[in-house]
Amino acid sequence: AQKVTQAQTEISVVEKEDVTLDCVYETRDTTYYLFWYKQPPSGELVFLIRRNSFDEQNEISGRYSWNFQKSTSSFNFTITASQVVDSAVYFCALTETSYDKVIFGPGTSLSVIP
Amino acid sequence: EAQVTQNPRYLITVTGKKLTVTCSQNMNHEYMSWYRQDPGLGLRQIYYSMNVEVTDKGDVPEGYKVSRKEKRNFPLILESPSPNQTSLYFCASKPVGRNNQPQHFGDGTRLSIL
Repeated sequence: AQKVTQAQTEISVVEKEDVTLDCVYETRDTTYYLFWYKQPPSGELVFLIRRNSFDEQNEISGRYSWNFQKSTSSFNFTITASQVVDSAVYFCALTETSYDKVIFGPGTSLSVIP
Repeated sequence: EAQVTQNPRYLITVTGKKLTVTCSQNMNHEYMSWYRQDPGLGLRQIYYSMNVEVTDKGDVPEGYKVSRKEKRNFPLILESPSPNQTSLYFCASKPVGRNNQPQHFGDGTRLSIL
């Protein structure tokens, strides 16, 4: 069965610290897609990144980086030199090739303290 | 501009008073879905639709109805709302079968049932 786990419910860091948000998933499919979304205090959901299961390259976008490890079924998200604007709830999500449904993790609430 | 529009954004109402939350998308997407977001539970799917006149239950369909008479619209109906349906609701859309594509989300509807 599909499942996404985000074990960290809430994280607080001081501005400029690095922080990693964990995401562990379960799927029986060999081809699947992983996503990260950000939900700022204003409430909307903002798409951050997509990763295909057959592409294990890590990705960096500015202060954001993602580490995809198929061997441990993890897709972790690191924010370098965090800023107050990074304060949000972050969701990891999974979808399989043959099934349109998207499974979301419970989310991690990140607070960056100035 | 590609968008998913939900209305209303906020609603406070009383138990038993029927309400409808509208959702409209302008991207000609076949797949539309409704989620509710509750603290610690992430986004849970209520109903989804693969195309016009095709709808199916998600994980938490009890107490909700949907319809898909036109491709662009996917209203969520609460025929007899109860306090346990107080939540943040999101509508989303994407092309069917394109599971590598992120969903487009509306801005959310915050419902309070007293």
